[in-house]
Amino acid sequence: SQQGEEDPQALSIQEGENATMNCSYKTSINNLQWYRQNSGRGLVHLILIRSNEREKHSGRLRVTLDTSKKSSSLLITASRAADTASYFCATDTGFQKLVFGTGTRLLVSP
Amino acid sequence: DTGVSQDPRHKITKRGQNVTFRCDPISEHNRLYWYRQTLGQGPEFLTYFQNEAQLEKSRLLSDRFSAERPKGSFSTLEIQRTEQGDSAMYLCASRPPLAGGNEQFFGPGTRLTVL
Repeated sequence: SQQGEEDPQALSIQEGENATMNCSYKTSINNLQWYRQNSGRGLVHLILIRSNEREKHSGRLRVTLDTSKKSSSLLITASRAADTASYFCATDTGFQKLVFGTGTRLLVSP
Repeated sequence: DTGVSQDPRHKITKRGQNVTFRCDPISEHNRLYWYRQTLGQGPEFLTYFQNEAQLEKSRLLSDRFSAERPKGSFSTLEIQRTEQGDSAMYLCASRPPLAGGNEQFFGPGTRLTVL
């Protein structure tokens, strides 16, 4: 079963704009990760934030984590057409497997 | 390319047939995972190996599914008597032994279509 949901389900923006997607989850976690999936392909790890961290940056990515609200957000700044993909949050609850959200489909138009 | 590889990339089969998928993880990774992803959903965990030992299986893995990792290297996932509901993308992922954050490295997936 899915750990939680992502919001919005789909997002359409213009190149250069920022994209924000949110993830909610249900149980306590060790860490939360974000993955990108291009159409019909495998997943690529983007960034990991531990449960004791509140914010993390990597290039154009900024992730926040609020464990009290069981939520996370991923911000992609200055979006490019190549950022078009589905984005998934995944939680590590300490039992080896990752539990994924339902994903946000991002479309960045030139 | 030293990433995770999966074979075949696509498989079309008729209901009732058996299919087998192969996953070759990154060479130094001792942990291997199988996930299933249906259209519009996130991946769902199926099973996990540490070396050759299968340590966890999801309730999604019915009796028709079996996974092996005989020498702790590549893994196979077999589905017997396929059903239309088995149509999905089957993803394999691996992880090195001492990674602190459980980042997983995914293969390109095998897309199964059951007619």
